[in-house]
Amino acid sequence: TQLLEQSPQFLSIQEGENLTVYCNSSSVFSSLQWYRQEPGEGPVLLVTVVTGGEVKKLKRLTFQFGDARKDSSLHITAAQPGDTGLYLCAGVYAGNNRKLIWGLGTSLAVNP
Amino acid sequence: ETGVTQSPTHLIKTRGQQVTLRCSSQSGHNTVSWYQQALGQGPQFIFQYYREEENGRGNFPPRFSGLQFPNYSSELNVNALELDDSALYLCASSLASGAYNEQFFGPGTRLTVL
Repeated sequence: TQLLEQSPQFLSIQEGENLTVYCNSSSVFSSLQWYRQEPGEGPVLLVTVVTGGEVKKLKRLTFQFGDARKDSSLHITAAQPGDTGLYLCAGVYAGNNRKLIWGLGTSLAVNP
Repeated sequence: ETGVTQSPTHLIKTRGQQVTLRCSSQSGHNTVSWYQQALGQGPQFIFQYYREEENGRGNFPPRFSGLQFPNYSSELNVNALELDDSALYLCASSLASGAYNEQFFGPGTRLTVL
């Protein structure tokens, strides 16, 4: 069974703090996606990483794909209340015919 | 460009009833996937439709069924509703030719089974 683990499950921080969310697996991904979901809405795609060691930045969000393509991280600098939401990673395992495997998500609350 | 839309936004049913949820895909997208999401958790894949046929299914019983129409819109049907079917149902569209199976979600339908 292919599993994609996210940590931490819950995170509550003050505005201005930094944080990192992790997405880990024992299997190799061919690609991995990060989504953010706000209350009452569907998930929104933030980024797709494909190459081992790849780093992508989206304003204060930095996404990194592990060298071995088995893990990924999302780092938020100077978090703001607008960053509050459920952060989800979803990966396509190598040789798995494009089937997406989803993590359970990290629920982030940024307090003013 | 028109995004993914879903209807209705909220629905209340009683145990044993049947429900139909509807989804219009993003313009240009030919594949639709349905997900069930419990509060605060990740989406659980129900099934995917491409060219009007089911193209992959998650661990859901046969009372969950679907359709895709020639305009790529889709329906999710759930028969014999159970209390545990209460959840947010998400529809996502994508391109079959896309390299990474990136999903574009609608706002969801919140189903409550009493």
